[in-house]
Amino acid sequence: EVQVVESGGGLVQPGGSLRLSCAASGFTFRSYDMHWVRQAPGKGLEWVSAIGIGGDKYFADSVKGRFSVSRENAKNSLSLEMNSLRVGDTAVYYCVRLAAAGYFDLWGRGTLVTVSS
Amino acid sequence: SYVLTQPPSVSVAPGNTARLTCGGNNIGSKSVHWFQQQPGQAPVVVIYYDDDRPSGIPERFSGSNSGNTATLTISRVETGDEADYYCQVWDTSSHHMVFGGGTKLTVL
Repeated sequence: EVQVVESGGGLVQPGGSLRLSCAASGFTFRSYDMHWVRQAPGKGLEWVSAIGIGGDKYFADSVKGRFSVSRENAKNSLSLEMNSLRVGDTAVYYCVRLAAAGYFDLWGRGTLVTVSS
Repeated sequence: SYVLTQPPSVSVAPGNTARLTCGGNNIGSKSVHWFQQQPGQAPVVVIYYDDDRPSGIPERFSGSNSGNTATLTISRVETGDEADYYCQVWDTSSHHMVFGGGTKLTVL
């Protein structure tokens, strides 16, 4: 089955760190750009980060300098390292595949990150 | 950074046509994708590249894009179409994906 599954969410205090993982299966992971998109409770979608097949990385201004993204093609795995977390980072984080046609064609179920004291 | 503007809500009676807009500076020069999100679920693409429809999406869904406005049109609206809809583009200048704020479609 073609899917991506996120893990690693949880409750963390402001200023803390968390590492999210995304396990891909059923497709040739190394051939796709991968993205992270988040959604705060009751709010809209917000793009967070991307990593290309060549390892190029992009970040939203709201997380630049605090978040890092990486991929391990041999393990079909994507990661999002989140540091200096803020209350405003509270959201469901989705791992998303970018289709060759340029749109998000595969989404995970998401993992909830709650930043609170 | 590039901004996409969507009306927060649109209401339509069953069987009628819903037109959801997405405004952006010269958005007609960009490729626009539309996502449907049902409560508690991940988004699903319903239109890509302005007016292409993925397999499995009903023909009732169509898209257009010109000037400063892209439009998602849902014909013969059904109660199951009630959901949040988001437009999205890739901003080449900033290398950022950009989402609109979303429109909640209510089927009366």
